[in-house]
Amino acid sequence: SQQGEEDPQALSIQEGENATMNCSYKTSINNLQWYRQNSGRGLVHLILIRSNEREKHSGRLRVTLDTSKKSSSLLITASRAADTASYFCATSRVDTGTASKLTFGTGTRLQVTL
Amino acid sequence: KAGVTQTPRYLIKTRGQQVTLSCSPISGHRSVSWYQQTPGQGLQFLFEYFSETQRNKGNFPGRFSGRQFSNSRSEMNVSTLELGDSALYLCASSLALRGGSYNEQFFGPGTRLTVL
Repeated sequence: SQQGEEDPQALSIQEGENATMNCSYKTSINNLQWYRQNSGRGLVHLILIRSNEREKHSGRLRVTLDTSKKSSSLLITASRAADTASYFCATSRVDTGTASKLTFGTGTRLQVTL
Repeated sequence: KAGVTQTPRYLIKTRGQQVTLSCSPISGHRSVSWYQQTPGQGLQFLFEYFSETQRNKGNFPGRFSGRQFSNSRSEMNVSTLELGDSALYLCASSLALRGGSYNEQFFGPGTRLTVL
């Protein structure tokens, strides 16, 4: 079953603009990871944020985590056409007994136009 | 370091047949997990193997099975294929360090299975 929802389901922006995607989850987590997927291919790991961290940066990516609200956001700054993809959040839940079992959100489809 | 590799990349089978998919993790990674991705159900966890033992299992029927070898390579088998088994099957590997909070998981390109 899905851990939660991602919002929005689809997002269309122009190159150079910022894109923000949100992820909500339901249970306590060990960590949260963001992935990118291009057209039915494999998942590319973007960033991992631990449950005791509030913000993390990697290049043009900024991830925040609010465990009190059970939500996370992914900000892509100065977007490029190559950022066009689906983005998924995945949580490692405390109640599953293993950190290796990921529960995925529903994904956000990002379209960046020239 | 080479990434996670999966073979074959594409597979077409008919109902009732069985299929075996293979996954080679990143060198040094001991945990291999399998996921199924479909348009209707999204990404769902199948099972995880660590040191040749199944450590966790998702909610899939017994037709779905797997194993892990001593070199951490893993195989997944689906018997008596059904139309609904058509999906992208992804495997992921991680270091699986103690503590769990730090374990990034890296995915392979997937095997696209079509059941006719």
